[in-house]
Amino acid sequence: DIQMTQSPPSLSASVGDRVTITCRAGQNIKKYLNWYQHKPGKAPKLLIYAASSLQSGVPSRFSGSGSGTDFTLTISSLQPEDFATYYCQETYSPRALTFGGGTKVEIK
Amino acid sequence: EVQLVESGGGLIQPGGSLRLSCAASGFIISSNYMSWVRQAPGKGLEWVSIIYSGGSTYYADFVEGRFTISRDNSKNIVYLQMHSLRAEDTALYYCARVSSISGAVTTYYFDYWGQGTLVTVSS
Repeated sequence: DIQMTQSPPSLSASVGDRVTITCRAGQNIKKYLNWYQHKPGKAPKLLIYAASSLQSGVPSRFSGSGSGTDFTLTISSLQPEDFATYYCQETYSPRALTFGGGTKVEIK
Repeated sequence: EVQLVESGGGLIQPGGSLRLSCAASGFIISSNYMSWVRQAPGKGLEWVSIIYSGGSTYYADFVEGRFTISRDNSKNIVYLQMHSLRAEDTALYYCARVSSISGAVTTYYFDYWGQGTLVTVSS
């Protein structure tokens, strides 16, 4: 299986801050990388697929970039509803769809 | 409207068996890939299993032959049969629809999720 490493594991930020989360794959996964937002008691929500494509209905302050082994999720201006845990997921092989360890975004 | 509703979780002793169900509405499960993902208490999301539209199935390494994913097309339900349960299988189990976009290659993503069903393995 492909190892997915997210950093940082957690971060504290204020409303309006620009936030960047990194995901590194253990091998070249081209652009087969998704990002999800997960809040306690809720179902995870797809934000970005194929590394940089914004899912319908997701605010444009969310963006994704990268290819190969290094990927980034950016929130351009953090909003109160964005405090959550974010996960990357590789889909290079649909036989094993590994998630990263998660990044918890907390209020500063 | 697409909806996924999981059920079947509960308290089970180590070594026991449990069958989880995922009732889908708003789409046809046999036309999609469907997957199970779990989250242990205080841990992150962990992929468990997938069933392709053609019926092929795949599992995470930790399953070690103990789980079986299947579907009933007539009921539009996906199942996860779990045997030889261990304490470390304690988790909230989510069902998710897997969609895809075809191009030079096909990219997959989990676009709809249920609310989850809790499995607790304890004596």
